[in-house]
Amino acid sequence: SQTIHQWPATLVQPVGSPLSLECTVEGTSNPNLYWYRQAAGRGLQLLFYSVGIGQISSEVPQNLSASRPQDRQFILSSKKLLLSDSGFYLCAWSGTYGYTFGSGTRLTVV
Amino acid sequence: AQSVTQLGSHVSVSEGALVLLRCNYSSSVPPYLFWYVQYPNQGLQLLLKYTSAATLVKGINGFEAEFKKSETSFHLTKPSAHMSDAAEYFCAVRKGGGADGLTFGKGTHLIIQP
Repeated sequence: SQTIHQWPATLVQPVGSPLSLECTVEGTSNPNLYWYRQAAGRGLQLLFYSVGIGQISSEVPQNLSASRPQDRQFILSSKKLLLSDSGFYLCAWSGTYGYTFGSGTRLTVV
Repeated sequence: AQSVTQLGSHVSVSEGALVLLRCNYSSSVPPYLFWYVQYPNQGLQLLLKYTSAATLVKGINGFEAEFKKSETSFHLTKPSAHMSDAAEYFCAVRKGGGADGLTFGKGTHLIIQP
């Protein structure tokens, strides 16, 4: 069966520090991968998606970037975090019609 | 462009009462629609999905939703609420051709009164 892993579960980082969140998928090949952010009191916003290695599409301009160095690995990064980057980050992959989400990373920028 | 509107940011029902969470969508293509549930500090769990087959979709935990094209609605229902149903619920529509993710509503917080 397919599983999706995200880590870390929680993260507290100072303003201006770098960020790296990792997501991996098991049990499938060439999945479509997504990064979403859920800010306090707001819905889920699609940040990036990828249909293959090295192929990244950005939905909104922001302080973050994404990379897909391997087929089942998706990384969300920032060189310098802002306070506004705080939120709950969710990775997801899609199969036929369905989207499966990871357990999320709670990022607090202080 | 696809969009989703969830009516009511908070819905409160008594335990054992009917649960009705409303979702209206806008889509320029035949829609694929989803309901997800989120418990505090957890990821999203798929409750059910509509993918152009039967208009009445049954999901997990006793939930179901009916796709009504004429009303552009996909409301979520459960006949009898349980305390464990208290959570955040999100309606979503697939964007465009399928590779570019989901567009979510802002969510509805379901409160169950004992």
